[in-house]
Amino acid sequence: AQRVTQPEKLLSVFKGAPVELKCNYSYSGSPELFWYVQYSRQRLQLLLRHISRESIKGFTADLNKGETSFHLKKPFAQEEDSAMYYCALSPPGGGSQGNLIFGKGTKLSVKP
Amino acid sequence: DTAVSQTPKYLVTQMGNDKSIKCEQNLGHDTMYWYKQDSKKFLKIMFSYNNKELIINETVPNRFSPKSPDKAHLNLHINSLELGDSAVYFCASSHGTVNIEQFFGPGTRLTVL
Repeated sequence: AQRVTQPEKLLSVFKGAPVELKCNYSYSGSPELFWYVQYSRQRLQLLLRHISRESIKGFTADLNKGETSFHLKKPFAQEEDSAMYYCALSPPGGGSQGNLIFGKGTKLSVKP
Repeated sequence: DTAVSQTPKYLVTQMGNDKSIKCEQNLGHDTMYWYKQDSKKFLKIMFSYNNKELIINETVPNRFSPKSPDKAHLNLHINSLELGDSAVYFCASSHGTVNIEQFFGPGTRLTVL
């Protein structure tokens, strides 16, 4: 079954500390993985996707197919990073085309 | 301003009523979606339309009926509202259906009393 697991409901760190938001997925194939972010009172927006291999706002995520993980990392957290983060999986074509399967989200709180 | 827009932003109504939420995108996308975010912030796909054709219809009660008059609009009509329908409903759109970024609307917070 297709599933995205974010084991931490809440992650609280101090400003300047490293951050790692965990994401594991279950899918037999090569899905596309995404991280979406929802800042307070704002709409959900794409943060990054594994295929582009870019760093956005200092965040990176590496797809580890062996561990079926796509953890989101940032070396030095900032207060403005406080938000809800969702890991999402998109099946590679066919089947339920186009839908994103979301994890339950991790709320990141960065304290001053 | 190019975006995905939803109306209304907030909707408070009584159990048993029928209500609609509208969604419009001016991004030129051909695929639109409805997601439900429950009180625990869990997001789940409800429907997806590609070029006005339904391509995903997850297990939702048939009281929920999406309608797509054209590629830029996907409205959600809900009959006989129940307490459990209270949630935030997000509309999204994308260009194509495979492995692409989805652009989300601001959400509609529905409260059923």
